Amino acid sequence: DIVMTQGVLPNPVPSGESASITCRSSKSLVYKDGKTYLNWFLQRPGQSPQLLTYWMSTRASGVSDRFSGSGSGTYFTLKISRVRAEDAGVYYCQQVREYPNTFGAGTKLELK
Amino acid sequence: EVQLVESGGGLVQPGRSLKLSCAASGFTFSNYGMAWVRQAPTKGLEWVATISYDGSSTYYRDSVKGRFTISRDNAKSTLYLQMDSLRSEDTATYYCARANYGDWGQGVMVTVSS
Repeated sequence: DIVMTQGVLPNPVPSGESASITCRSSKSLVYKDGKTYLNWFLQRPGQSPQLLTYWMSTRASGVSDRFSGSGSGTYFTLKISRVRAEDAGVYYCQQVREYPNTFGAGTKLELK
Repeated sequence: EVQLVESGGGLVQPGRSLKLSCAASGFTFSNYGMAWVRQAPTKGLEWVATISYDGSSTYYRDSVKGRFTISRDNAKSTLYLQMDSLRSEDTATYYCARANYGDWGQGVMVTVSS
């Protein structure tokens, strides 16, 4: 199975600052079509997960352009610009390159 | 508006069975693969199973293979998860999602305990 390892944020993050969340995969997530099969989600307290980006860097419909995904085949970053109160929650990366579709353990973002 | 509504959860004894349902609306259900994802209390997300748009292909995590069965009824726009031989470690909130993970239900709680 592909193991997804997420970094830790130096919480709390001051409102208005930027935050970067890292994720590393044990195997390249680049498929033969050239796309990188990496998703990012935000799960706010008491809510279902919300897809933020897919194919590593494509924002999902309705997602603010303050969220941007980047990376290589095995190392990924989700950058959140001008952090706001509504961004608080747990962020998960997930690989959908192959089954099982594994998730990272989650990275908690708390705001100051 | 896409809606996914799970039902069928509850308290069940170890070794017993439970069947979850997920009623879909707001999109052409038969065009999309679907998935189940679970989250144990205070834990992270864990993929459980995926089914193709027509039901011809299914995929499971190792820990549920042979015990859980994902299925669908495209005529009823409904996804199912039949869970047999339940264990305490299956205790979780179960979410259904479109296989692109762009839409999720609100989740249904399953508690396996004697």
